[in-house]
Amino acid sequence: DAGVIQSPRHEVTEMGQEVTLRCKPISGHDYLFWYRQTMMRGLELLIYFNNNVPIDDSGMPEDRFSAKMPNASFSTLKIQPSEPRDSAVYFCASRRTGDNEQYFGPGTRLTVT
Amino acid sequence: AQSVTQLDSQVPVFEEAPVELRCNYSSSVSVYLFWYVQYPNQGLQLLLKYLSGSTLVKGINGFEAEFNKSQTSFHLRKPSVHISDTAEYFCAVSVVPLTGNQFYFGTGTSLTVIP
Repeated sequence: DAGVIQSPRHEVTEMGQEVTLRCKPISGHDYLFWYRQTMMRGLELLIYFNNNVPIDDSGMPEDRFSAKMPNASFSTLKIQPSEPRDSAVYFCASRRTGDNEQYFGPGTRLTVT
Repeated sequence: AQSVTQLDSQVPVFEEAPVELRCNYSSSVSVYLFWYVQYPNQGLQLLLKYLSGSTLVKGINGFEAEFNKSQTSFHLRKPSVHISDTAEYFCAVSVVPLTGNQFYFGTGTSLTVIP
C-alpha cells in the first residue's frame, strides 16, 4: 500500500510568488494534517481535516496560507504571496479513525528567496 | 492540556555505545506515547508506541522505551548504536481515546553517532 504522497519534494520560488503544495493521504484515512517544520519552531501543526472538512486551522500563521481538501484523496496547501520566512519543510500526515498512529509523507522542502 | 518535553536537543554518542533519549510528558488524562524517527531529508517514521499493557515497548532497529507513569516519562534506549541511527527523534503523546488531533510532539532530539 502506498504511503502518504507529497509533491513536489522540493520547491524554490521567489518572494511574492504563489506556492501550492500537494498531498495524497493513504486510502481509507479520514484525517489529514498539515505540519510545518523549521529549526526555530520545530514541528507545528498548521491545519487538519476530518472527512474533507477543516476542523482546526488555528495553526495557520496568517491569511497568506490556505488549505483545501476537495475530496478524500487530495489536499493542497497554498501560500500567496510567499515570503522568505515561509521557508521550511512542510509535511502532510494522515490517520484513520480508530487508529492511533499518524502516517507522514516525505515532506516538501520549500525555499523562498 | 498535554505537553511533551525532550530534555536534550542534541546527543552525540560513539558507535556501539548505549544511548538514552529522554522524554517527559504532562497530561491530566490517560495517554498513548510514541517515538518517531526522522532520517535526513525524509519524513517521520514510527519507531515504537505504547498503548497499554507492558511498560517496556520494543520497536524497530533495536530501540526500546519504557513507560513510567509515576515519573511521566517515556525514555528511548538502545544498547549499541550504529552510524545509521544518526537522525532526529521525536517523542509524541496523544490522549485516550484519540479523537481529532490530540497529538502533541516534542521539539526533537538530534542523535549523532560518531564513528
